Amino acid sequence: DAGVIQSPRHEVTEMGQEVTLRCKPISGHDYLFWYRQTMMRGLELLIYFNNNVPIDDSGMPEDRFSAKMPNASFSTLKIQPSEPRDSAVYFCASSLGTASGGYTFGSGTRLTVV
Amino acid sequence: AQTVTQSQPEMSVQEAETVTLSCTYDTSENNYYLFWYKQPPSRQMILVIRQEAYKQQNATENRFSVNFQKAAKSFSLKISDSQLGDTAMYFCAFVYSGGGADGLTFGKGTHLIIQP
Repeated sequence: DAGVIQSPRHEVTEMGQEVTLRCKPISGHDYLFWYRQTMMRGLELLIYFNNNVPIDDSGMPEDRFSAKMPNASFSTLKIQPSEPRDSAVYFCASSLGTASGGYTFGSGTRLTVV
Repeated sequence: AQTVTQSQPEMSVQEAETVTLSCTYDTSENNYYLFWYKQPPSRQMILVIRQEAYKQQNATENRFSVNFQKAAKSFSLKISDSQLGDTAMYFCAFVYSGGGADGLTFGKGTHLIIQP
């Protein structure tokens, strides 16, 4: 398996633009997580899905952020409009079943909003 | 809500030495998992070791071992015979194991530097 695949690896955009981050989980994994990593706040859970259904989005910072999982092999995290404070590394991770299954992370997307 | 604390922002040791990274957590749950993740400069999050709270035996993976003290809510990572490739950020993480899979709660990390 190729692991969790995220794209793009780097994204530079101007303030006010829409940004879409993409994630392909490991085939067969039924949980998908989106995290944000910053120097100030560390790694924060934004939202997670189980069988394509959002379970907990309490970590989504504000209405500018939205996430979807239209099918078991694809998820997006969208920021509209983007702001400089959204600059961070965004990770996607997937897991099979219970927490004992372990969590596999993608290589992350470094977002820079100028 | 769970919290995870890593009290050492940075540590530096010589190659081949043994180093211990500290982690404490706070939870009212009895069933959970604890993890150590490594993040090298490539930024990939790599699972180092995992401990199930109901198991008294400390987990080991080659040069990596943990000291899990459930009553004290402590979960330290020991790296033996440290190597230059161990240089990375190390994150301690917690997840409740009551059913399904929840998101991990991470500590702020320890930057470990292995000196040649």
